[in-house]
Amino acid sequence: TQLLEQSPQFLSIQEGENLTVYCNSSSVFSSLQWYRQEPGEGPVLLVTVVTGGEVKKLKRLTFQFGDARKDSSLHITAAQPGDTGLYLCAGARGSNYKLTFGKGTLLTVNP
Amino acid sequence: NAGVTQTPKFQVLKTGQSMTLQCAQDMNHNSMYWYRQDPGMGLRLIYYSASEGTTDKGEVPNGYNVSRLNKREFSLRLESAAPSQTSVYFCASSPATDTQYFGPGTRLTVL
Repeated sequence: TQLLEQSPQFLSIQEGENLTVYCNSSSVFSSLQWYRQEPGEGPVLLVTVVTGGEVKKLKRLTFQFGDARKDSSLHITAAQPGDTGLYLCAGARGSNYKLTFGKGTLLTVNP
Repeated sequence: NAGVTQTPKFQVLKTGQSMTLQCAQDMNHNSMYWYRQDPGMGLRLIYYSASEGTTDKGEVPNGYNVSRLNKREFSLRLESAAPSQTSVYFCASSPATDTQYFGPGTRLTVL
């Protein structure tokens, strides 16, 4: 059972365009995280959201946690080639610090 | 401060051979994790260790064993490698929060 569904699975856009990636679940999470992974490397944490309705901004990236803490979105404004990578969402449930990962969205930003 | 280190970076095995993947962290984190990443499958938890001296199964533990040697080190052993274990293996650590810090990965091919 895949608890976290990410969409789209693949996204190829031109430099300067905006995009949104979604992470959805039927389960409630105590927190949700977004990671970015570049080829040949391990995932690197971008942000953690913990409160329903929370919005966090990281330069051109905006992260939102759904009111019911079941879903999240990542919006990138004016995408750049350096944004290319695999974006993973991960949810935590309870206090055992285990994460459930989505399958990821592979983003390619073309110059 | 090296973070999370993994050895080896690449490995090719023949079916039935055994090997141990090594992981060490220098951040004094309590929790450590082993994941495998396969195309289209995202990150799947193999085993984790919430603290020194404890280990627990994750989502896909069959064919693997782990040892939490001390607070710094968490190893993953394949006793009899199978082609289905061809994957990229990531070790991660966490300071008793939801945030996980990943190593660079070990790329394993089983022929």
